[in-house]
Amino acid sequence: DAGVTQSPTHLIKTRGQQVTLRCSPKSGHDTVSWYQQALGQEPQFIFQYYEEEERQRGNFPDRFSGHQFPNYSSELNVNALLLGDSALYLCASSLPSESPNQPQHFGDGTRLSIL
Amino acid sequence: GQSLEQPSEVTAVEGAIVQINCTYQTSGFYGLSWYQQHDGGAPTFLSYNALDGLEETGRFSSFLSRSDSYGYLLLQELQMKDSASYFCAVGPLDSGNTGKLIFGQGTTLQVKP
Repeated sequence: DAGVTQSPTHLIKTRGQQVTLRCSPKSGHDTVSWYQQALGQEPQFIFQYYEEEERQRGNFPDRFSGHQFPNYSSELNVNALLLGDSALYLCASSLPSESPNQPQHFGDGTRLSIL
Repeated sequence: GQSLEQPSEVTAVEGAIVQINCTYQTSGFYGLSWYQQHDGGAPTFLSYNALDGLEETGRFSSFLSRSDSYGYLLLQELQMKDSASYFCAVGPLDSGNTGKLIFGQGTTLQVKP
């Protein structure tokens, strides 16, 4: 049973470029959340997708956008990249449930470096 | 809003017991979770307290006291592989039942032989 998978594992971009990161949730999970983790910091919530719609959003600018597909996989897009966007981008998935705070299952992340 | 405070670093020896504290200021949350993250790896869920009291999972235990705005993670019989960062996290009530997490700044645990 595959866990959460993310691609690519590493990526190098330059300022002003655009990037797309991909995530496949754990089998049976329908909710996908994205987090940004700067070096030495805690993960910061970007947004969450459920039923192909953005359900929650953190304090991130509109340059950060996403999408969820019918198979529950998700993409994170970042436009007009800034040096400060350099971070580990984590995808997390969880079970469909009425119980709050189902454990979040994280992928290994995509390490994005902006030059 | 929510803010969670943890010690930045803790050091202990193999076989010992260590407690990592988490104090918080929050307008309301569903429960307190703990995650472990090894360098460059994925955060891994360890424990969750919805109610006050102690939850035990093998060598790890977690405690929550809402009246004291305080929780902790207790690691027993420390092993070298326990060296990692540990994060407390809450799911804020104002986010609804979505599983959104707000993390503390993390505690780096170093286990020495």
